[in-house]
Amino acid sequence: NAGVTQTPKFQVLKTGQSMTLQCAQDMNHEYMSWYRQDPGMGLRLIHYSVGAGITDQGEVPNGYNVSRSTTEDFPLRLLSAAPSQTSVYFCASSYSKRWSPGAPNEKLFFGSGTQLSVL
Amino acid sequence: LAKTTQPISMDSYEGQEVNITCSHNNIATNDYITWYQQFPSQGPRFIIQGYKTKVTNEVASLFIPADRKSSTLSLPRVSLSDTAVYYCLVGDMRTTSGTYKYIFGTGTRLKVLA
Repeated sequence: NAGVTQTPKFQVLKTGQSMTLQCAQDMNHEYMSWYRQDPGMGLRLIHYSVGAGITDQGEVPNGYNVSRSTTEDFPLRLLSAAPSQTSVYFCASSYSKRWSPGAPNEKLFFGSGTQLSVL
Repeated sequence: LAKTTQPISMDSYEGQEVNITCSHNNIATNDYITWYQQFPSQGPRFIIQGYKTKVTNEVASLFIPADRKSSTLSLPRVSLSDTAVYYCLVGDMRTTSGTYKYIFGTGTRLKVLA
């Protein structure tokens, strides 16, 4: 069982270039999300999706686009890369999108990350 | 949504018990307390979750007092491999529309020394 797979693991871009970070999960999870992690900043939520065709913004969505055409895939697009987007990017998923009062929270499963450098 | 406060960093020596406390004064009645662990160069992973009193699994124990305004993650006899960042999540993983929106803070950076 592969879990959450991110590609590529490393990427170097020049300012203004575009690229797509890929994320795929094989656990039939409803919920998927993207985070960036900068030194000393913890994890910051970029975008998330509660199902195919449904996406929403997180804490730091500017400069990033997402789409969710299938349950399995949730790509993150940088349309015009900037040095400020140099970071480690993590994709994560969980089985259910919906919480219930009084019920435990769903566990979030993370990929191994993509280290992106924008020069 | 409940805001959590954790120490930024902690140092410990191998073999010691480590306790990391998270404050969440505004925790709601239905909120569970969840901890994640992140090793260097890896994504975080779920380690433990609880609602009240004590929860124990193969990795850690979680102590929650009766008022639930704080929680303590306890790692018994740490080793060098426990060096990681530990995140406490309460309430901020939920939206008012009933879906999840996991918000992580900066976590506690634990360094285990030989």
